[in-house]
Amino acid sequence: QQQVKQSPQSLIVQKGGISIINCAYENTAFDYFPWYQQFPGKGPALLIAIRPDVSEKKEGRFTISFNKSAKQFSLHIMDSQPGDSATYFCAATWESYKLSFGAGTTVTVRA
Amino acid sequence: GAVVSQHPSRVICKSGTSVKIECRSLDFQATTMFWYRQFPKKSLMLMATSNEGSKATYEQGVEKDKFLINHASLTLSTLTVTSAHPEDSSFYICSARPRGVNIQYFGAGTRLSVL
Repeated sequence: QQQVKQSPQSLIVQKGGISIINCAYENTAFDYFPWYQQFPGKGPALLIAIRPDVSEKKEGRFTISFNKSAKQFSLHIMDSQPGDSATYFCAATWESYKLSFGAGTTVTVRA
Repeated sequence: GAVVSQHPSRVICKSGTSVKIECRSLDFQATTMFWYRQFPKKSLMLMATSNEGSKATYEQGVEKDKFLINHASLTLSTLTVTSAHPEDSSFYICSARPRGVNIQYFGAGTRLSVL
C-alpha cells in the first residue's frame, strides 16, 4: 500500500516547457517532503525538499508547491531541458526517518 | 555535498553463490543506513534499516537469512545476498542518513544478475 500517490506515470514536454508532477498523501504525521531525480542505472539524487510549514520553495528551475490542507504537493520544472529527462520520485518521511516513495514519473523532454 | 559510495556497481554471479555489496558514507557519519530494491520501471522498495552497532530491522516479506545486513561502523554497511537465485536479480540501492538530519543520500546502486 503506497502512502504517497504520484501522477502522472509519465509525461512528455517540449524543450522550454513546464513539467508538473503531483503527489498526495494521507498520513498527517509526515513532516518532510523530498523529491528525488533518478537517471537510468543510477541511484536517486536529492533534488529539492520542503517542510509543511512552507507553501513554496524554489531552487533554480525547480519549484515545490505545498498545500497542507489538501495534503498535496507538486514539483514544477520550469524551462525544461533535455538533460532533465529522468524519473522523478516524490517522497515523505517523519520521525521514523523511513522514506515513503511515490511510484515515480518518467519525464521526457523533447528537443 | 554528502557522498555515498556503493560497490560494486554491477555483479554477475552463478546461482547458489553469495554476493556482498558495500555501502560507504565518504564524508559524513551515517547513524542509519537503508537498503532498497528496485525493479525495472518501479519505485524503490525498502528492504531493511540498519543502525550502527545493532541488528538490522527488516521490512515485512524480506527474508533476513537471505539478505544479511551488517552495519559495522558509522561509515560502512554491507548487504550479503546469500545463496543467490535468478529471482534475486535486481537493482539494489543503499542510502545513508547523517546524525540528526532527516535526509537520505543514496548510492549509485548495484545491478545484480544471477545466472
